[in-house]
Amino acid sequence: DTEVTQTPKHLVMGMTNKKSLKCEQHMGHRAMYWYKQKAKKPPELMFVYSYEKLSINESVPSRFSPECPNSSLLNLHLHALQPEDSALYLCASSQDRTGLDYEQYFGPGTRLTVT
Amino acid sequence: AQSVTQLDSQVPVFEEAPVELRCNYSSSVSVYLFWYVQYPNQGLQLLLKYLSGSTLVESINGFEAEFNKSQTSFHLRKPSVHISDTAEYFCAVTFHYNTDKLIFGTGTRLQVFP
Repeated sequence: DTEVTQTPKHLVMGMTNKKSLKCEQHMGHRAMYWYKQKAKKPPELMFVYSYEKLSINESVPSRFSPECPNSSLLNLHLHALQPEDSALYLCASSQDRTGLDYEQYFGPGTRLTVT
Repeated sequence: AQSVTQLDSQVPVFEEAPVELRCNYSSSVSVYLFWYVQYPNQGLQLLLKYLSGSTLVESINGFEAEFNKSQTSFHLRKPSVHISDTAEYFCAVTFHYNTDKLIFGTGTRLQVFP
């Protein structure tokens, strides 16, 4: 299984709502990532978890809160978002136990619209 | 600072014509190199990668890329494109000392016309 799954596929939320994005991988990868991608732009790294611990936070506003409940799951909790946060949110994972596979495997993304 | 440059934001080409998408990187340390493809409303898929060994790497769908250390380039080529190759292509690098940071280029939109 070389798949990263993300739910939901689409999400529309108001600026006062609280919602969560979910990501799952069963490849035994030690690292999981959240990216934000605006239209016609490359993905921008938001967070990295390594062995279930937050290792990189790219100065992301606190209205985005990541969580890694276990080695297969990654959540992104959203609260009081702004319309400019509307984007495609991509999850990725990498590095199996050999430590030799540097490829990042991406999920299909969640299309988020903030109204 | 490390960076990736894709000079061509769009490349229009007719079906069955050859194509080259250019990628140059700037880094003072050793890198691993990747090409990702993104079809509309989808996530990114790895097309090919260079980690070590032969500088020419190939994908299963006819793309190839050559790592040129002296020119710090990793250009993507295909001798004959199909309509289905229409997509956004991202070149990316990561570093031997920190493989968690993937630096993307700005992307090249390949548009294949019949």
